[in-house]
Amino acid sequence: QVTLKESGPGILQPSHTLSLTCSFSGFSLSTYGMGVSWIRQPSGKGLEWLASIWWNGNTYNNPSLKSRLTVSKDTSNNQAFLKVTSVDTADTATYYCAHTRSSTTRPSYYFDYWGQGVMVTVSS
Amino acid sequence: EIVLTQSPTTIAASPGEKVTITCRASSSVSYMYWYQQKSGASPKLWIYDTSKLASGVPNRFSGSGSGTSYSLTINTMETEDAATYYCQQWSSTPKWTFGGGTKLELK
Repeated sequence: QVTLKESGPGILQPSHTLSLTCSFSGFSLSTYGMGVSWIRQPSGKGLEWLASIWWNGNTYNNPSLKSRLTVSKDTSNNQAFLKVTSVDTADTATYYCAHTRSSTTRPSYYFDYWGQGVMVTVSS
Repeated sequence: EIVLTQSPTTIAASPGEKVTITCRASSSVSYMYWYQQKSGASPKLWIYDTSKLASGVPNRFSGSGSGTSYSLTINTMETEDAATYYCQQWSSTPKWTFGGGTKLELK
């Protein structure tokens, strides 16, 4: 059974760095084909993919956030991390981590298990 | 970047009614994925690889489409189906994008 849970600071000030942790069970990020992604959702708005990390250490970031994102993992402790630098009020959102898997028939990827989300507020 | 446009943005349906939500992509995609999100909850995978139902999804739901046009259909609306539905695609760059969402309300 795959489960994921996000944790983070709750509130932080503009220009600071947001650090989020995704603790998961039911799979290993050292196993071929496994991935974890970060997705956020401002209150009352839609979903935005942020970044992903794969079993082999490959990472992918949403280019709209340029170099503000860093995703990493701790395989031995079943955790993935996201750092967002220079936050501002536009980064206020619920942040989700999700198990990411590939289609078995074509190169295509999706999110089959999601965490409960952690709300992050950027405010001075 | 591939942009996904969902329509309608909001729809109200009565129990027993047929509902169709459309997702149009700005360029051709291999597969479409759909997620259901209820208020205050995380999104749930609902349909994968365009037409396959995720575990536990009632068979009154179906997905179809190809190229740039995809749809999610509920054959007979039930009260528990009221939620927001998002489509999602993957492409090599910049990877994943979502549609803006369709809010399905009970009439």
